[in-house]
Amino acid sequence: QSVLTQPPSASGTPGQTVTISCSGSSSNIGSNYVHWYQQLPGTAPKLLIYRNNQRPSGVPDRFSGSKSGTSASLAISGLRSEDESDYYCASWDDSLSGHVVFGGGTKLTVL
Amino acid sequence: QLQLQESGPGLVKPSETLSLTCTVSGGAISGSSYHWGWMRQPPGRGLEWIGNIYYSGKTYYNASLKSRVTISVDTSKNQFSLKLNSVTAADTALYYCARMGTEFDYWGQGTLVTVPS
Repeated sequence: QSVLTQPPSASGTPGQTVTISCSGSSSNIGSNYVHWYQQLPGTAPKLLIYRNNQRPSGVPDRFSGSKSGTSASLAISGLRSEDESDYYCASWDDSLSGHVVFGGGTKLTVL
Repeated sequence: QLQLQESGPGLVKPSETLSLTCTVSGGAISGSSYHWGWMRQPPGRGLEWIGNIYYSGKTYYNASLKSRVTISVDTSKNQFSLKLNSVTAADTALYYCARMGTEFDYWGQGTLVTVPS
């Protein structure tokens, strides 16, 4: 059972906007940044969104992140077939002397 | 461009110690305000954080693995390492190393470690 809660799956058709949620608590999302990682099949995770809503160089602006209280969301607009991937949220957790927590991951299917 | 590369045995016998090394190129481990971390991903499952070592040497471990894990750094070789002892089949996974500021921004490609049952 992951500390951060994500839906196991999400889906959408090309061109649609899909949102993936990530729920945590006051010791992680509530007091620290949220980051999002994209893991394409057979590859290492790639940083997609950092510090709640920042995009690394090269990440399309179709990807956006937001945070409110102890929850965060990843939105993908103009959905494309190549967005079919696993997405993970992560945050630092201040409990137990500090540690990293991940969500269980959301598998996005482009129909 | 920073690059990380995991290395180590792909097969470890039950009850033995898993030892992996992450070699960093394109930047120095020492003297930078980064954590250097290990994650793993069992086949078909999600990511699990194992632990970090800060550039100062301070370590942070996943509480569920803490009794079996040691992460260390060798600045002379620009490497950091993971040791996980008393392994079982449940430790079979892809193991990744990565650099962390507030986020894991650079990742290795991962190395598969199998512990037969």
